[in-house]
Amino acid sequence: EIVLTQSPATLSLSPGERATLSCRASQSVSTYVAWYQQKRGQAPRLLIYDASSRATGIPARFSGSGSGTDFTLTISSLEPEDFAVYYCQQAKTFGQGTKVEI
Amino acid sequence: EVQLVESGGGLVQTGGSLRLSCAASGFTFSNYWMSWVRQAPGKGLEWVANLEENGNYKQYADSVKGRFTISRDNAKDSLFLQMNSLRVEDTAVYYCARVITAHDYGDYWGQGTLVTVSS
Repeated sequence: EIVLTQSPATLSLSPGERATLSCRASQSVSTYVAWYQQKRGQAPRLLIYDASSRATGIPARFSGSGSGTDFTLTISSLEPEDFAVYYCQQAKTFGQGTKVEI
Repeated sequence: EVQLVESGGGLVQTGGSLRLSCAASGFTFSNYWMSWVRQAPGKGLEWVANLEENGNYKQYADSVKGRFTISRDNAKDSLFLQMNSLRVEDTAVYYCARVITAHDYGDYWGQGTLVTVSS
C-alpha cells in the first residue's frame, strides 16, 4: 500500500507570497497524483491531476510538478481565498493535508 | 452545471444501518465511475468505495469491506451507499464524487452528508 506524506503540516504565509507544498510517495507512482483544496465546511475541489494538469476553471497561479515519488504544488502568489487545507491523492490514498494559513 | 447532492445521513447507534443517496445532474451519469469518500471530524480524507459505470465492478476500502455496499441506479442518476454494522469510527461526513480517468481523481464533489454513530 502506497503512503503519501505531505509537508509541511502547516504553512504560515501572507497574501502575495509564494507557497510550495510537498507530497512524497512511499514508492514510485509515475505522474498519477492529484491535488485538492478544501476550505472549512466545504467539499474538496480538484486543482491538479496527473501531477501537472490544471483542472477546469483553476487559476494559473496554481501549478503542479513532479514524478516518481516527489511532487510539488505551487501557488505563485497567494490570494486571500487560497488559505485552506490542501491534499494530495494517489489512486485510493490521500495525504494527511497541508494547512496554508495567514 | 454538474451537481451532486447527498442525503440520508443522520444519527445511528452502533450496529445500526443507514443508506446514503447521491443525486446527480448536469452530466451523463451512466458514463462515469463514482466514488464515496469520507472525512471524520477534524481529520483528513479517506476513500471508501468506487463503482464502475454499469454498476458491476466495485472496490472497497478494507475498513468497510463486508459492511458497506455501493450501488447505483443509472435510470435515476443516483448513487447509493448501504452502510450496515456501523461503528463509532464510521462517524464522518460522506461525500460522493464523480471520478475521471483510471486514477480515481474526483473532479466534482457533493456537499457531503454527516453520519454520526453513537455508542
